[in-house]
Amino acid sequence: AQSVTQLGSHVSVSEGALVLLRCNYSSSVPPYLFWYVQYPNQGLQLLLKYTSAATLVKGINGFEAEFKKSETSFHLTKPSAHMSDAAEYFCAVSYSGNTGKLIFGQGTTLQVKP
Amino acid sequence: DVKVTQSSRYLVKRTGEKVFLECVQDMDHENMFWYRQDPGLGLRLIYFSYDVKMKEKGDIPEGYSVSREKKERFSLILESASTNQTSMYLCASSFRDRDHQPQHFGDGTRLSIL
Repeated sequence: AQSVTQLGSHVSVSEGALVLLRCNYSSSVPPYLFWYVQYPNQGLQLLLKYTSAATLVKGINGFEAEFKKSETSFHLTKPSAHMSDAAEYFCAVSYSGNTGKLIFGQGTTLQVKP
Repeated sequence: DVKVTQSSRYLVKRTGEKVFLECVQDMDHENMFWYRQDPGLGLRLIYFSYDVKMKEKGDIPEGYSVSREKKERFSLILESASTNQTSMYLCASSFRDRDHQPQHFGDGTRLSIL
């Protein structure tokens, strides 16, 4: 069965430091990939998506992610963390013919320390 | 602006009650989804609908049913609420397989079953 793994349920960085949130998928077929962010007591908001146009995808709020087929990875990065980035982040995948259903990772909570 | 609206942000019910969670979207999306979100488990799909009166079971349908009588509205029903259904419930919608458009989420309903 296809799955998504987010390494690290909690990540803590200092304000201004690099943010790196890891996501790996399990499939030999390249999927469509998404990163979502969830702020406290809110729903999920799309950060960015990969749909095979370019391997480096830029999203909102200064985030970007790089698709690496050889590593089956889609890690999320931001050069300089801001306090407002503290939230839970979800990686998700979908596949052609899957009628729009997404498979979500377990989520990573990002803490930003002053 | 796209909008997915869930009828309640917080809800408290008693065991054995029949509980209705309502979701409305204004984007003319074909697909609608119900998820539950629990710490450490990410989002798990309960039910999915790809058209009016059509439904498909997700990963954890037991104890739930759904109704989709109109394209914009998707209801989740807990037939006889139990304490293990205490959770955050998220509704989402998307276009049906149009270049893998992302899902749009409501703000969630935090349901407590006492």
